[in-house]
Amino acid sequence: KQEVTQIPAALSVPEGENLVLNCSFTDSAIYNLQWFRQDPGKGLTSLLLIQSSQREQTSGRLNASLDKSSGRSTLYIAASQPGDSATYLCAVGTSGNTPLVFGKGTRLSVIA
Amino acid sequence: DVKVTQSSRYLVKRTGEKVFLECVQDMDHENMFWYRQDPGLGLRLIYFSYDVKMKEKGDIPEGYSVSREKKERFSLILESASTNQTSMYLCASSTLTFYEQYFGPGTRLTVT
Repeated sequence: KQEVTQIPAALSVPEGENLVLNCSFTDSAIYNLQWFRQDPGKGLTSLLLIQSSQREQTSGRLNASLDKSSGRSTLYIAASQPGDSATYLCAVGTSGNTPLVFGKGTRLSVIA
Repeated sequence: DVKVTQSSRYLVKRTGEKVFLECVQDMDHENMFWYRQDPGLGLRLIYFSYDVKMKEKGDIPEGYSVSREKKERFSLILESASTNQTSMYLCASSTLTFYEQYFGPGTRLTVT
């Protein structure tokens, strides 16, 4: 059974710092991997989607990488801002008609 | 842009009441999902549907049922609400191959 882990559960950094959020998964036979952002009391917003054949995806200050063989993905946030403060979740899609498996997220605080 | 809407942002119901949570998506997605999210437990899948009138149990279907009479609408039903069903409920949709999942804003349900 696929399991997704995000460590650390919480992270606090000063504004302007570059940071990396980690996501690991137990079964490397994945279809895709998706990173989400969630603000308190709100729904999830899709940030980046990486297909299994891809190594990375970029959107603005965000870069997500995927290493299937090691069961890891990272979300890199450049020049962090207080507005980046949120919970970031990763989710893995396996092949076939099965739903995404979610990690529990990393709660990020960017301090001005 | 894909839009997933949920009928209520906040809902307060009494124990024993029948509760309907509605979700509508406007992108002709085949798949729709209902999750609940609780502190420390993360996102847990209740039910999902990959076609009209089709439904599949997720990880925690007990105490819930669903209805999908039209492709764009997926309803979650609490037959007899209980206090342990107080939670944030999130609806999502995606294409048939689970390509990029989109979430609604969530419904915060309180059962007293």
